[in-house]
Amino acid sequence: DIQMTQSPSSLSASVGDRVTITCRASQSVSNYLNWYQQKPGKAPELLIYAASSLQSGVPSRFSGSGSGTDFTLTISSLQPEDFATYYCQQSYSFKTFGQGTKVEIK
Amino acid sequence: QVQLQESGPGLVKPSETLSLTCTVSGGSISSYYWSWIRQPPGKGLEWIGYVYDSGFTNYNPSLKSRVTISEDTSKNQFSLKLSSVTAADTAVYYCAREGYFFDTTAHWYFDSWGQGTLVTVSS
Repeated sequence: DIQMTQSPSSLSASVGDRVTITCRASQSVSNYLNWYQQKPGKAPELLIYAASSLQSGVPSRFSGSGSGTDFTLTISSLQPEDFATYYCQQSYSFKTFGQGTKVEIK
Repeated sequence: QVQLQESGPGLVKPSETLSLTCTVSGGSISSYYWSWIRQPPGKGLEWIGYVYDSGFTNYNPSLKSRVTISEDTSKNQFSLKLSSVTAADTAVYYCAREGYFFDTTAHWYFDSWGQGTLVTVSS
């Protein structure tokens, strides 16, 4: 099984901050890596696919990078609606998710 | 725009079989891969498995012995059965569509989700 580990598990930030979340795979997943945002009581929503491609309709302040085992999700200027939990997910071998990173208001 | 809706019992007894159905509207089920994903209360996401092409399936190895996912193209639905449930199977269950992006190979991702349904395993 490929394990996905996100860091940090939670963070506090202010509106306007630049936020970076990392995701590490237990073995190479090439660029078969997706990012999702989940708000309380809602289903996850796709933000980034294939490590760096922005899903249609997602604001350009979200970006993704990385390949192999190390990946990053960046929010360039945090907005009030961005306070949520973020998950990475690999689709290289079966599908596994990271444990999530909760972004809270500072 | 495709929409997905889960339905099924919200309470299942231990050792019994959990059964859920996902109804797809706004698009045909005869394309794409269709998955079930679950999330225990306050925890992360776990992929259960998918069905495609009217019956081909792939399951999470950790659940494979207990899972059956099937498709009914005439009703534009797909279904999940999870046998011998315990309290550890209590979760919100989501159905989702897997879209793809093709460059040199296909990159798969969950691009449409149902709202989720809470299933509690308890006597």
